[in-house]
Amino acid sequence: EIVLTQSPGTLSLSPGERATLSCRASQSVSSSYLAWYQQKPGQAPRLLIYGASSRATGIPDRFSGSGSGTDFTLTISRLEPEDFAVYYCQQYGSSPLATFGPGTKVDIK
Amino acid sequence: QVQLVQSGAEVKKPGASVKVSCKASGYTFTSYGISWVRQAPGQGLEWMGWISAYNGNTNYAQKLQGRVTMTTDTSTSTAYMELRSLRSDDTAVYYCARDQQWLVPHYFDYWGQGTLVTVSS
Repeated sequence: EIVLTQSPGTLSLSPGERATLSCRASQSVSSSYLAWYQQKPGQAPRLLIYGASSRATGIPDRFSGSGSGTDFTLTISRLEPEDFAVYYCQQYGSSPLATFGPGTKVDIK
Repeated sequence: QVQLVQSGAEVKKPGASVKVSCKASGYTFTSYGISWVRQAPGQGLEWMGWISAYNGNTNYAQKLQGRVTMTTDTSTSTAYMELRSLRSDDTAVYYCARDQQWLVPHYFDYWGQGTLVTVSS
């Protein structure tokens, strides 16, 4: 069973800074089947990245995903005020067929 | 535009069952799957399971096997999630989400607004 670990748990940064979020899997994620979501308080999650590096429709290009195997990264090149939120990674295609990481909170320094 | 509209908040007693609906619009319902995800207060996201709107195949998270049933009504483009033998730790916001694949669970590109289910005596 694949378990996802995200680090850090909380990332305190200022607007305009670069954010680097990590997602590590306990086993190799097949075919880079990894997605990233953003969730703000009181809202449903929003898909940012799928297939490890493909941006979802309407997602700004300051969001980028990379990685393969067991190590994946979400990078926000320059934080905008609306980017302060919780970010989750999710693997699909390996047993169990979908799992989420515990999340990384990006808050304002 | 794609929309998933869920049923309203529920309050249930321990041991009862709850059935949450998710009405889809703006796309061909049977070309995708629906996954259900829940979030306990202040906690992260937990994938509960998936149903193919194409053929009705399901896949449930192991910890919920035997207590959860997911169904669809293709005539109304509506998905349902029923959870039985409710416990206090089932208190959560329950989301439906469009799954990009009708064959196996994938990633979720559109989400419902969430349904709060409170289990309390």
